[in-house]
Amino acid sequence: GAVVSQHPSRVICKSGTSVKIECRSLDFQATTMFWYRQFPKQSLMLMATSNEGSKATYEQGVEKDKFLINHASLTLSTLTVTSAHPEDSSFYICSARDLRRFSTDTQYFGPGTRLTVL
Amino acid sequence: KQEVTQIPAALSVPEGENLVLNCSFTDSAIYNLQWFRQDPGKGLTSLLLIQSSQREQTSGRLNASLDKSSGRSTLYIAASQPGDSATYLCAVHNTDKLIFGTGTRLQVFP
Repeated sequence: GAVVSQHPSRVICKSGTSVKIECRSLDFQATTMFWYRQFPKQSLMLMATSNEGSKATYEQGVEKDKFLINHASLTLSTLTVTSAHPEDSSFYICSARDLRRFSTDTQYFGPGTRLTVL
Repeated sequence: KQEVTQIPAALSVPEGENLVLNCSFTDSAIYNLQWFRQDPGKGLTSLLLIQSSQREQTSGRLNASLDKSSGRSTLYIAASQPGDSATYLCAVHNTDKLIFGTGTRLQVFP
């Protein structure tokens, strides 16, 4: 149990286009989803936290108009990188949590999405 | 602001060695600490989670300890194998967020 998927696993796009990344909890309902960004050989940096049906809470320095997060259902959150530029190229990882089901405050991570902006 | 540091940044050892990976954090007010494994280009696999009230957790050849007062955790890997080669990340959970360490890249060669 507690499987999280991401789609696509890899995407290449041209500068100026928008890219949508999906994060799904497959066998549980995620009351909260998190989006992280990871640069090569660096650690994960939290970008934003989203609770189902609410606006996402962004970390300091993350542009909310550039990284649009939608958490419309208990099993799906999307991250849209708008007007992508080469500096947005990175590895994006989501995680999901369900405090109602799991007694420990554990996040379950997706496999990540590699975004390359040309 | 919580900061999490891991030492060493990289480690290369022959198969069979026992290893210790270190994680330190600046704010001891944590809910729990978690160790993850990340293979190149992949997501995270949770290895061990230690609640703030616990001192250690064990799973197979892995043992993780936690000393909240000193802001330290160690991951002990016994009898290392080439399949253990990966990046190991520790993360502390406080104020509803996971704060990740800088990671240790481990290579175990035959």
